[in-house]
Amino acid sequence: DGGITQSPKYLFRKEGQNVTLSCEQNLNHDAMYWYRQDPGQGLRLIYYSQIVNDFQKGDIAEGYSVSREKKESFPLTVTSAQKNPTAFYLCASSARWSGRGDEQFFGPGTRLTVL
Amino acid sequence: ILNVEQSPQSLHVQEGDSTNFTCSFPSSNFYALHWYRWETAKSPEALFVMTLNGDEKKKGRISATLNTKEGYSYLYIKGSQPEDSATYLCASANQAGTALIFGKGTTLSVSS
Repeated sequence: DGGITQSPKYLFRKEGQNVTLSCEQNLNHDAMYWYRQDPGQGLRLIYYSQIVNDFQKGDIAEGYSVSREKKESFPLTVTSAQKNPTAFYLCASSARWSGRGDEQFFGPGTRLTVL
Repeated sequence: ILNVEQSPQSLHVQEGDSTNFTCSFPSSNFYALHWYRWETAKSPEALFVMTLNGDEKKKGRISATLNTKEGYSYLYIKGSQPEDSATYLCASANQAGTALIFGKGTTLSVSS
């Protein structure tokens, strides 16, 4: 089955530690995205990648880093510099860049809690 | 940054009622409007992608209209069922090809 997988589903981290969230897709999509959702907020874009080996900052990139070494993988690292990392993180992909109209396909999400 | 607004924030209807929600977006440099349905414990799923003024799309009991001149889209659900309970998100893209900007969503609860 084609789709997007994220792991782990729940993640607990001690303050001051870096943590990496996994996102894999087997849809052969060019574009991938990371969003953050907080209570009462819409989805906010952290980073996006329109094509392999390229990525751009979204609206709230501070304290996060990404890589796109393979087409199917777009891991997100939450660094200790992120002031308030506790949130729900969603990964998505689209065949082409969604800014040109392509719908996005979403993973199941990772809930990160900083203890 | 585009500002996408959705109303109401939440609503509760009885099974069989018809309902509608609104998504407002900046009309200047509009390119595309997306609607997604996000059920609890599942991933958001695309309902519609609309680009042309006057577009009307339908999927079963759900339909959407688009007015790009005044910057709004309506999502209609006819004869709501409990399985329609979800958060409905809209997102807008402009002609500069920037990333989608999502609204905060409308959460619908349908009771039987």
